[in-house]
This record gives sequence, C-alpha cells and structure tokens, in this order.
Amino acid sequence: DTGVSQNPRHKITKRGQNVTFRCDPISEHNRLYWYRQTLGQGPEFLTYFQNEAQLEKSRLLSDRFSAERPKGSFSTLEIQRTEQGDSAMYLCASSLETSPLNGQHFGDGTRLSIL
Amino acid sequence: DQQVKQNSPSLSVQEGRISILNCDYTNSMFDYFLWYKKYPAEGPTFLISISSIKDKNEDGRFTVFLNKSAKHLSLHIVPSQPGDSAVYFCAAIVPTGGGNKLTFGTGTQLKVEL
Repeated sequence: DTGVSQNPRHKITKRGQNVTFRCDPISEHNRLYWYRQTLGQGPEFLTYFQNEAQLEKSRLLSDRFSAERPKGSFSTLEIQRTEQGDSAMYLCASSLETSPLNGQHFGDGTRLSIL
Repeated sequence: DQQVKQNSPSLSVQEGRISILNCDYTNSMFDYFLWYKKYPAEGPTFLISISSIKDKNEDGRFTVFLNKSAKHLSLHIVPSQPGDSAVYFCAAIVPTGGGNKLTFGTGTQLKVEL
C-alpha cells in the first residue's frame, strides 16, 4: 500500500493559465474522489469516479473544470482560464466499493496559487 | 449552508487528560459519520467512524459518540498525547445510489500540551 499520490505538490501560475493535476490512487481502489479545501474550511466535494465513469459532479465544478480517469487508474483534474478564486488545496481520495464506514484514503494534495 | 458544524475552532488540553471534540449536523439524511485527523502539509487521515444505528464506537484511545435526536456527535481521545496535536475534521455521508461523498465540518485545531 503506497498510498494516494498527488502531483505536483505545489503549483503557482498566472491568472488565465490552464493547470492540470494528477492523482494516483491506491492500486486496488475503484473509487476516486476530488475535493477542494480553502483556508479555514473543511474539504469540499468536487467530483467522484467509479472505475473510469464520472458519476457525480458538485455544482462547485464550473465549466472551466474537467476531470478524467482513463482506464480507471490515475485521474487528472484540469482547470482552464484560472481565476484568483481557484487558489486552494486540491485533494484526491480513493476507496474500495465497500462500507462507507471504512473511510477514504487521502493524498497530501496539490496547493494551487494564482498570481 | 453549513450542514456539518464544528463550532470550536481550537481546543487546548494537557497531556494525559481527555480531549473532547464536538460536531453538530443539520441534515437528518446523514447515515454515517467519520472523524479525520490532519497534520500540516499532509492530507486528512481517517480515524474512526460510526453508523447512525449506533450511539458509540470505540477504537483504542478514540471513542465516537452519536446523539441522533440532538444531531450531535463527539470524539473523545483519552489519554491525550502530544502527537494528537492536529486539526480534527468531522465528516458525514448521505448514502446515495453510488458514491459516498464526504461533507466536512470546518475543523477543530487540537493542541495537547506537555
């Protein structure tokens, strides 16, 4: 169990640029989640995959955001035309399709800073 | 609207004493509740959970209590240790047809002092 891996750990970019983050879940986990955390808040749900299918998206996920999970393995989250309000920690989590009481395993996140 | 609330942003406890972290929720559809611990620069780590059909779950030094009628849960840590100093998040799940997305509170910073 190597844990959930996220890259890059930090991303600094200018407003208007596109950014892409990657998440490698625990290998046998078929569920993958993206969350966003801003200062002083708890993580907020963005989207969820079961295998390669994106099954739920939050209203927080505007048209500028897109997430993929090709072949049901790693996932990418892309933000187009970044805005100041996109500055946040982006967290990825994975889990098996078992009881929700087993929790989700989180990566250490990608911190995005928009200049 | 904040469906999961942690009204104490911080808590300070002496080593060896009990730490009690509180959480309130408004959505009666929540069926599962979880506690996560987060150290700086790391992702949240799952600690303990409870189903809405139970009122207590214990795992070592950690016990979670659920009062459904009051829509309140608490995490007890006893005895508290310096390594427990972290931000603690309460989270809840409404079971749907598919995923188990977590709804988090805003967190409580616990400091365990020597």
